[in-house]
Amino acid sequence: NAGVMQNPRHLVRRRGQEARLRCSPMKGHSHVYWYRQLPEEGLKFMVYLQKENIIDESGMPKERFSAEFPKEGPSILRIQQVVRGDSAAYFCASSPRTSGSYEQYFGPGTRLTVT
Amino acid sequence: DQQVKQNSPSLSVQEGRISILNCDYTNSMFDYFLWYKKYPAEGPTFLISISSIKDKNEDGRFTVFLNKSAKHLSLHIVPSQPGDSAVYFCAAGKGGATNKLIFGTGTLLAVQP
Repeated sequence: NAGVMQNPRHLVRRRGQEARLRCSPMKGHSHVYWYRQLPEEGLKFMVYLQKENIIDESGMPKERFSAEFPKEGPSILRIQQVVRGDSAAYFCASSPRTSGSYEQYFGPGTRLTVT
Repeated sequence: DQQVKQNSPSLSVQEGRISILNCDYTNSMFDYFLWYKKYPAEGPTFLISISSIKDKNEDGRFTVFLNKSAKHLSLHIVPSQPGDSAVYFCAAGKGGATNKLIFGTGTLLAVQP
């Protein structure tokens, strides 16, 4: 039973380019969360999605960042016109969100470096 | 504002002894708490959780204690093993429409052989 998959594992982008990070949830999980970890900090929530719906994007920067979870295919976190401050580890998590279940299972992360 | 705090950035323990990792929170509306373990260059791994209606949950060598009046929880690892050396994060969440987790800044545990 495969866990949460993220790709790429490492991504290098120059300032001004676009970054696309992909996440495939665990089988049977229909809820996806994105978190960001800056150096020496804990994980910070960015966005929570279900299939074709954004449920909570309260942690997303207002500009340049967007997320989607289409009916078919992985969830995508998109960062346009990247800046050096976007360099971080981006983690995706999934959960089944059945009643009484609140654990989230994380992928290995994508480490974004902006040069 | 930091709603979940881990005030000890690091902890060193001898193999076979007990490791106690602490976490404090400020929001009394949190419904559940979780502990994650993280190795470098990997994602967090879920360890154990506890609902706010309980004060203890145990799973093998791991036990989580919740003191709601003090807004404090702790993770006990007994006996500690060298493979337990990692960063441990506590996280908290509320029920309702969102399931977002608020993480502490982590405690680096080193278990000495």
